[in-house]
Amino acid sequence: GNSVTQMEGPVTLSEEAFLTINCTYTATGYPSLFWYVQYPGEGLQLLLKATKADDKGSNKGFEATYRKETTSFHLEKGSVQVSDSAVYFCALKHTGNQFYFGTGTSLTVIP
Amino acid sequence: KAGVTQTPRYLIKTRGQQVTLSCSPISGHRSVSWYQQTPGQGLQFLFEYFSETQRNKGNFPGRFSGRQFSNSRSEMNVSTLELGDSALYLCASSFGDGGDYGYTFGSGTRLTVV
Repeated sequence: GNSVTQMEGPVTLSEEAFLTINCTYTATGYPSLFWYVQYPGEGLQLLLKATKADDKGSNKGFEATYRKETTSFHLEKGSVQVSDSAVYFCALKHTGNQFYFGTGTSLTVIP
Repeated sequence: KAGVTQTPRYLIKTRGQQVTLSCSPISGHRSVSWYQQTPGQGLQFLFEYFSETQRNKGNFPGRFSGRQFSNSRSEMNVSTLELGDSALYLCASSFGDGGDYGYTFGSGTRLTVV
């Protein structure tokens, strides 16, 4: 079946540090891959997406590359800010409109 | 433009009662999905509607139901509430065939069952 596995949190980083949040997936065929972010008390916001192998999604300094050979979609940012503190969810969509979400990774950035 | 609006934001109900949650999608969006978010299970898909038709349903008991109206607004209903139904219920809408457009989520309805 379809599933997403992302690294356990919580993750705590100092401001301007490099961020990587690992995400791997299991799916048949060619799913679309997404990263969503959830700030406290809010719903999920689409951060970036990639719809085919080798695509790179990017937004607000965050990047992720769809790697079919390793079934991965790791999220990276070169220099995190305090305002990036949130919970990050990796997700896939295969056939139909159902999303499969990872368990979320909580990120805290300290000044 | 207005985002996805969910009402109410918070709800407290007693076991055995029923509850109806409402979702108003972004204007022009025809696809609406519902998710349950809990600390233990994470985000779990409930159902998805497109132009008033339920196209997909997650693995939840029949106590969970939903519908979509001609203006794309959606409601979900949970009957005979159990303590385990306490969760954040999120609604998401999309313009077209949801997935590749990405969904816009509302802020959710926090349901507490006591």
